[in-house]
Amino acid sequence: NAGVTQTPKFRVLKTGQSMTLLCAQDMNHEYMYWYRQDPGMGLRLIHYSVGEGTTAKGEVPDGYNVSRLKKQNFLLGLESAAPSQTSVYFCASNPESRAEAFFGQGTRLTVV
Amino acid sequence: DQQVKQNSPSLSVQEGRISILNCDYTNSMFDYFLWYKKYPAEGPTFLISISSIKDKNEDGRFTVFLNKSAKHLSLHIVPSQPGDSAVYFCAASAGTYKYIFGTGTRLKVLA
Repeated sequence: NAGVTQTPKFRVLKTGQSMTLLCAQDMNHEYMYWYRQDPGMGLRLIHYSVGEGTTAKGEVPDGYNVSRLKKQNFLLGLESAAPSQTSVYFCASNPESRAEAFFGQGTRLTVV
Repeated sequence: DQQVKQNSPSLSVQEGRISILNCDYTNSMFDYFLWYKKYPAEGPTFLISISSIKDKNEDGRFTVFLNKSAKHLSLHIVPSQPGDSAVYFCAASAGTYKYIFGTGTRLKVLA
């Protein structure tokens, strides 16, 4: 039982490059989330989805896009990476709005 | 504007003693609160939750207390064990599925 899996685990990008982070969950959860964690800032919500085909903005959505074409996958895209997007990114999912969220292991992204 | 605050970045406690982690919030509309634990290089894992209709919730060694009038919640760990050493995040929501997280408190339990 894999739970929530994030790909890749580490990545270094040059400023201006693009990339996609993949989140996959095998628990048939409706809700999925992308967070970023920065020192002294805690976890901040970037985008979220309340079901297949839906996405919505969180606290810090600028510079990111997302897609949820399949229920089990939630993709986070950076079209033109900036050093300010250097962070650890976490994906999470839960079956209903008030249930505990299950987190992936994180993706450490460095933009140089 | 930080709606959920964990004012203590770190805390050290002797093994076997009580650990008390605190969390303050400013939004009176928050009605559901959770605590997560995070080890290095891992994602956060759920620990315990509490609804605003309660003032206490207990699960084994972990108890969360909620003081709505003070907009304050705390997590008590008794007795503390070395394996409890981690970063603890509190999170709050206001009737929705969007959670606002605090900045975390690093707990170190000394053997």
